Amino acid sequence: DIQMTQSPSSVSASVGDRVTITCRASQGTSSWLAWLQQKPGKAPKLLIYATSSLQSGVPSRFSGSGSGTDFTLTISSLQPEDFATYYCQQANSFPPVITFGQGTRLEIK
Amino acid sequence: EVQLVQSGAEVKKPGESLKISCEASGYGFTNYWIGWVRRVPGKGLEWMGIIYPDDFDTNYNPSFQGQVTISADKSISTAYLQWSSLKASDTANYYCARLLKQYMETGVTYFFDYWGQGTLVTVSS
Repeated sequence: DIQMTQSPSSVSASVGDRVTITCRASQGTSSWLAWLQQKPGKAPKLLIYATSSLQSGVPSRFSGSGSGTDFTLTISSLQPEDFATYYCQQANSFPPVITFGQGTRLEIK
Repeated sequence: EVQLVQSGAEVKKPGESLKISCEASGYGFTNYWIGWVRRVPGKGLEWMGIIYPDDFDTNYNPSFQGQVTISADKSISTAYLQWSSLKASDTANYYCARLLKQYMETGVTYFFDYWGQGTLVTVSS
């Protein structure tokens, strides 16, 4: 099974900072990736799908990139509402087998 | 508007059974996989399994196979997650989510695009 490893596991940053979160797959078959945001007490929310496509309604300060085994979520200028936990997710085979990264907690510095 | 509405919080004792639900609206229920995801307090998201409501095909995470049962009722556009004997370690938030299939140039990818609000299950003696 493919394992997804996120780094860092937590990060502290300030409003206005640029933040990058990385997700690495254990095998080179993770062609595409999704990124989700979860705030305390809320359901996860889809931000990015198919590695770099922005979900409707998501601010353009969020972007995704990568290929093969290495993928990145970038927040270009942190806003107060962005402090949350972020997960990568992949599922590129049939029947679908879904794998999440372990999460990255983004905290206010 | 796509909506997934889950049943309310539950408090149960170890050994009891439980079935929680996820009612879908705003899209063709039988045309998409729907999945269940667990989040234990202080831990990350764990995929439990999925069901295709049209033919009831299921696929489970091996870690949850035999521990839970995922089912669906097409007539009321509702998916279910069921336990026959709960353990304290089942205490968690459980989310249902729609799995979208996207065709790409060189393959296909799946991702959860709409989520239910979550159901908190507490198992304690």
